[in-house]
Amino acid sequence: KNEVEQSPQNLTAQEGEFITINCSYSVGISALHWLQQHPGGGIVSLFMLSSGKKKHGRLIATINIQEKHSSLHITASHPRDSAVYICAVAYSGGGADGLTFGKGTHLIIQP
Amino acid sequence: NAGVTQTPKFQVLKTGQSMTLQCAQDMNHEYMSWYRQDPGMGLRLIHYSVGAGITDQGEVPNGYNVSRSTTEDFPLRLLSAAPSQTSVYFCASRYRADNEQFFGPGTRLTVL
Repeated sequence: KNEVEQSPQNLTAQEGEFITINCSYSVGISALHWLQQHPGGGIVSLFMLSSGKKKHGRLIATINIQEKHSSLHITASHPRDSAVYICAVAYSGGGADGLTFGKGTHLIIQP
Repeated sequence: NAGVTQTPKFQVLKTGQSMTLQCAQDMNHEYMSWYRQDPGMGLRLIHYSVGAGITDQGEVPNGYNVSRSTTEDFPLRLLSAAPSQTSVYFCASRYRADNEQFFGPGTRLTVL
């Protein structure tokens, strides 16, 4: 079974700070997803990656396959980035539909 | 494309009542899943489907039924609602196993 651990569970930062959220997993994967959920809102896919690095605006996602670790970075954070960030991994035999989710990182950006 | 749609957005039931949560997608996705989200528990898989006519159980299937008669629709039925089924329910779809997952807006269900 693939355990997906996210850290930190909760993070409060000031506007403008550089944010890093981490995700570790225990067995080989075919892809890793980063998801965003605003309070009371739906879930949006931010990135899907299987190697290297992806960037979208102020968001950067990296993955190290050998170390079984991924990071989500937010540059120049803004209060609208306040949300829960969820890591999910896809691997053969994992979760009945192929996805195993972390419990999420609750991020608050204060103005 | 409308993406993944869910109805209703909110629902209050009494214990023992039954209801169906609707989910539809217009992206011709093969994979569809139902999750429930509870505080501190993360997303937990209820049932999933890898194509029309094919469904299977996830981590927490008890008390729920699904069917997939078309590619587009994947309704979730609560057979006899219990307070433990109070949760937020998300439907999701993706084209294949290793593709991006799209989520519906969620249904907030309260069972009294």
